[in-house]
Amino acid sequence: SQKIEQNSEALNIQEGKTATLTCNYTNYSPAYLQWYRQDPGRGPVFLLLIRENEKEKRKERLKVTFDTTLKQSLFHITASQPADSATYLCALDHSGGYQKVTFGTGTKLQVIP
Amino acid sequence: NAGVTQTPKFRVLKTGQSMTLLCAQDMNHEYMYWYRQDPGMGLRLIHYSVGEGTTAKGEVPDGYNVSRLKKQNFLLGLESAAPSQTSVYFCASSWASGGIKETQYFGPGTRLLVL
Repeated sequence: SQKIEQNSEALNIQEGKTATLTCNYTNYSPAYLQWYRQDPGRGPVFLLLIRENEKEKRKERLKVTFDTTLKQSLFHITASQPADSATYLCALDHSGGYQKVTFGTGTKLQVIP
Repeated sequence: NAGVTQTPKFRVLKTGQSMTLLCAQDMNHEYMYWYRQDPGMGLRLIHYSVGEGTTAKGEVPDGYNVSRLKKQNFLLGLESAAPSQTSVYFCASSWASGGIKETQYFGPGTRLLVL
């Protein structure tokens, strides 16, 4: 069956360092992958989308890589700030179409001042 | 633009009661979705709609019904609430013609407690 894995343990890093979050998947051949940010008590907010034919995507301090051979996406936040503390969700294109996606359970990031 | 709004924000129900959650979007999006989010389970798709007057089942549709009579509104109904439906419910929408199809915009969520 299709499965998405994100590190369920919280990731604690020091302010100014680069945070790297991992999203692994099995039994999928997604056409694209998305990353969302979710703050406590709020809905997810879209950050980045990367397509299967793209290796890397950047947006300001954010960088996403997509390795379809390893079936893995890495999400990097450079020069991390306490305001980056949140839960980050990856979402993969569902083969059923209609822009349906399947979400991972998320990784909680805590940036320590 | 208000984006995606959800009503109510919080509700307590007794087992067997019914209720309707309302989602509204002002972005002229074609697609709308209802998810539930539970600890350790992530977001799971309940029902979705690809246009006015159409609905389809998602991953966990049992116990829920939906309707999309107007393009901007997507209603989620619980006919007979059960404690297992205690969750946080999120509505999302995507794709205005000419825009990026895949990005989903989420509402603030509705916290539902079924006793």
